[in-house]
Amino acid sequence: DAGVIQSPRHEVTEMGQEVTLRCKPISGHDYLFWYRQTMMRGLELLIYFNNNVPIDDSGMPEDRFSAKMPNASFSTLKIQPSEPRDSAVYFCASSYGLAGGVDTQYFGPGTRLTVL
Amino acid sequence: GNSVTQMEGPVTLSEEAFLTINCTYTATGYPSLFWYVQYPGEGLQLLLKATKADDKGSNKGFEATYRKETTSFHLEKGSVQVSDSAVYFCALKTSGGSYIPTFGRGTSLIVHP
Repeated sequence: DAGVIQSPRHEVTEMGQEVTLRCKPISGHDYLFWYRQTMMRGLELLIYFNNNVPIDDSGMPEDRFSAKMPNASFSTLKIQPSEPRDSAVYFCASSYGLAGGVDTQYFGPGTRLTVL
Repeated sequence: GNSVTQMEGPVTLSEEAFLTINCTYTATGYPSLFWYVQYPGEGLQLLLKATKADDKGSNKGFEATYRKETTSFHLEKGSVQVSDSAVYFCALKTSGGSYIPTFGRGTSLIVHP
């Protein structure tokens, strides 16, 4: 398997523009996570899905952020409108669910977003 | 709630030095414990894990022992290499309450030749 695939790897945009980040999880995994990583806040969980259904979006910073998972092999994280404080590395991760919860998570390479 | 506390970085060592990165946790229930590593420009990847008290996880020369009595899972390596330079994250998962892993802030390791 190719692992978790994210695109684009780098995104530079101007304040106010819409940004869409994409993720393809590992085939067969039933959990998908979106994280944000910054120097100030470290690694933050934004939202996660189980079987394509959003389970917990309490980490989404505000209404400008939205995430979808239309099928088991694709998810998007959208920021509209973008602001400079959204600049960060965004990671997608996927995992199998076990009886006791999520086990090992597999992370993608990340999308480095810069909002000017 | 669950939480993970890691030592502040960066940790700077010379090649072949002994490494310890401290990790302590607070958890409800009986957690599984993980160490993830993030190399520059990459995503996190699992380094090792332990699922019950006194278990030792090991991989690539790294070891960590699950100590329930001290609620700790310290990462150690006997002789570090320049290629070990990365950020190391301690994490836990409990089967009760939240089923999703909780991560520490990460500890940066810099190894000089």
